[in-house]
Amino acid sequence: DTEVTQTPKHLVMGMTNKKSLKCEQHMGHRAMYWYKQKAKKPPELMFVYSYEKLSINESVPSRFSPECPNSSLLNLHLHALQPEDSALYLCASSQDPSRPNIQYFGAGTRLSVL
Amino acid sequence: DQQVKQNSPSLSVQEGRISILNCDYTNSMFDYFLWYKKYPAEGPTFLISISSIKDKNEDGRFTVFLNKSAKHLSLHIVPSQPGDSAVYFCAASEGRNYKLSFGAGTTVTVRA
Repeated sequence: DTEVTQTPKHLVMGMTNKKSLKCEQHMGHRAMYWYKQKAKKPPELMFVYSYEKLSINESVPSRFSPECPNSSLLNLHLHALQPEDSALYLCASSQDPSRPNIQYFGAGTRLSVL
Repeated sequence: DQQVKQNSPSLSVQEGRISILNCDYTNSMFDYFLWYKKYPAEGPTFLISISSIKDKNEDGRFTVFLNKSAKHLSLHIVPSQPGDSAVYFCAASEGRNYKLSFGAGTTVTVRA
């Protein structure tokens, strides 16, 4: 089983709203990631959690706030987003943060900011 | 600065023939390479990977070749099937750096 589950699949929000994206995996993976993907572009790394601790923040604006409540869950809290933040947000996980290994992706949340 | 490049944005191939996708990289410290396939409105699906200590890895219809001296890798799909029509991303990582650097992707269309 290599499933990463993301909810919701689609989200429309206004610039003053607060919403959260959720990601879950039950593969025992100890690294989890948030990526942002714009149309016809490759995924861009936003955050990395290793053993439930934030290890990489790719200079992401503070209106995006990640949270890792436990080893299976990853959240991305959204507040005061801009229309240019509209994109596909992908969650991924990998087995062992200490060595190169396969990242498994969820289906993504399609976010539209109005 | 794009460290992983896929210079062919699209590829059209007839069903049953070979698809060859190419990828070049500039960072000589990359030591692990992956190919992902992506359908519209879905996340990338892992296809095949290769470590820098190898020059070839095969899994069913998919074979990845790595030429370290040329900083080049390729993905061969034989035979191509209609379900292979998708966007293919090449990705690379360096040592214990978690970050995957992705190429821009190649859209493959398999014609019946």
